[in-house]
Amino acid sequence: QLQLQESGPGLVKPSETLSLTCTVSGGSMSSNYWGWIRQPPGKGLEWIGTLYSGGRTYYSPSLKSRVTISADTSKNQLSLNLSFVTAADTAVYYCVTHTWNFASDYWGQGTLVTVSS
Amino acid sequence: DIQMTQSPSAMSASVGDRVTITCRASQGVGDHLVWFQQKPGKVPKRLIFAASSLQSGVPSRFSGSGSGTEFTLTINSLQPEDFATYYCLQHHNYQWTFGQGTKVEVK
Repeated sequence: QLQLQESGPGLVKPSETLSLTCTVSGGSMSSNYWGWIRQPPGKGLEWIGTLYSGGRTYYSPSLKSRVTISADTSKNQLSLNLSFVTAADTAVYYCVTHTWNFASDYWGQGTLVTVSS
Repeated sequence: DIQMTQSPSAMSASVGDRVTITCRASQGVGDHLVWFQQKPGKVPKRLIFAASSLQSGVPSRFSGSGSGTEFTLTINSLQPEDFATYYCLQHHNYQWTFGQGTKVEVK
């Protein structure tokens, strides 16, 4: 049973870079799709981007210019970097993995990141 | 970009009601459609995948249908624990897009 745990600063200043790490336990990152989803307080879910084994990445068109998702399989970690953040980037950030058809998925508990000076 | 239009955005219903939620894709996504349920402060829970496949352990009163651009989540005989927000997600051609969500509230 895979377990995902997000970690990183809970507070980021405007114009800086938001950096989060997702640590995976109970399995490897050698297959599946690995991604980040966020949810602003009181609002809906937004897909940020996905990394597929082999290193291919796919990003939301609205965030593509600011997002980088990468993986360190030796550490079983997935990373998210979102640059030039504003208050609109305040959200709970979820780490997610799923099979190609979503017959199986695992989510982290989510971590709240607030953008404020 | 593939856009997902989910309706209604909110609805009031009573225990025992039949509830129908619709998602429309801006272009065909085959059966690459997932339905989630989310309760306040909780992680989304997958109910349906591949448009109509019920996730193991999910009550049979939940069902999904559709393909291409029109999808429906139906809850037969709404139960107290079903009051929540529901989201569709398409994952076609290496794009992932959520619907805006439907909040099912107590009438």
